[in-house]
Amino acid sequence: NAGVMQNPRHLVRRRGQEARLRCSPMKGHSHVYWYRQLPEEGLKFMVYLQKENIIDESGMPKERFSAEFPKEGPSILRIQQVVRGDSAAYFCASSPRSGDGQETQYFGPGTRLLVL
Amino acid sequence: AQKITQTQPGMFVQEKEAVTLDCTYDTSDQSYGLFWYKQPSSGEMIFLIYQGSYDEQNATEGRYSLNFQKARKSANLVISASQLGDSAMYFCAMRVRPGAGSYQLTFGKGTKLSVIP
Repeated sequence: NAGVMQNPRHLVRRRGQEARLRCSPMKGHSHVYWYRQLPEEGLKFMVYLQKENIIDESGMPKERFSAEFPKEGPSILRIQQVVRGDSAAYFCASSPRSGDGQETQYFGPGTRLLVL
Repeated sequence: AQKITQTQPGMFVQEKEAVTLDCTYDTSDQSYGLFWYKQPSSGEMIFLIYQGSYDEQNATEGRYSLNFQKARKSANLVISASQLGDSAMYFCAMRVRPGAGSYQLTFGKGTKLSVIP
């Protein structure tokens, strides 16, 4: 009964490089969310996806950030030309197909991105 | 706009005692869900308990219970018989109604709980 999986757990990039963060949702879950946690802060919503569709990207920075959840394979959060301010923990969460009204989101272990 | 407020940056509790972590929320929606998550020092986010806005009874999960007072817009987490392993950050979060197109959670800033032996 695997939970939400994220990799890598830690990622170090130099300014200007690209960061790719991967998330495999729990089995049977078709909704994926990405959140960012800055040091000493709560989590902030970034984007909500279903398979092959971006449903809500209202929390995504307008530039350099993109997300996808293809038909096959994990969801990817991509950050182009990283800057030091992108250093944070990035969490992926998944929930099952809605219906019971609860839609509890289960979180992965997070990816800690450090930009040098 | 939705907002979650956790007014206690840090709390201490003696082992085996009960502790209440405060959470107040602000929303104009009638249908919403409230969640508590635990984040230990290892960093993962662990789901603890859920309360729906239409649930008439307070949620309970083992040693965790949620003191839901709808009129006061509060959803406090009560941990009974604290254990050393309860030392962690605790986050309150709210999800507004489906049909708004998104199930995103809005989080508070968290409360750091330290359990003293």
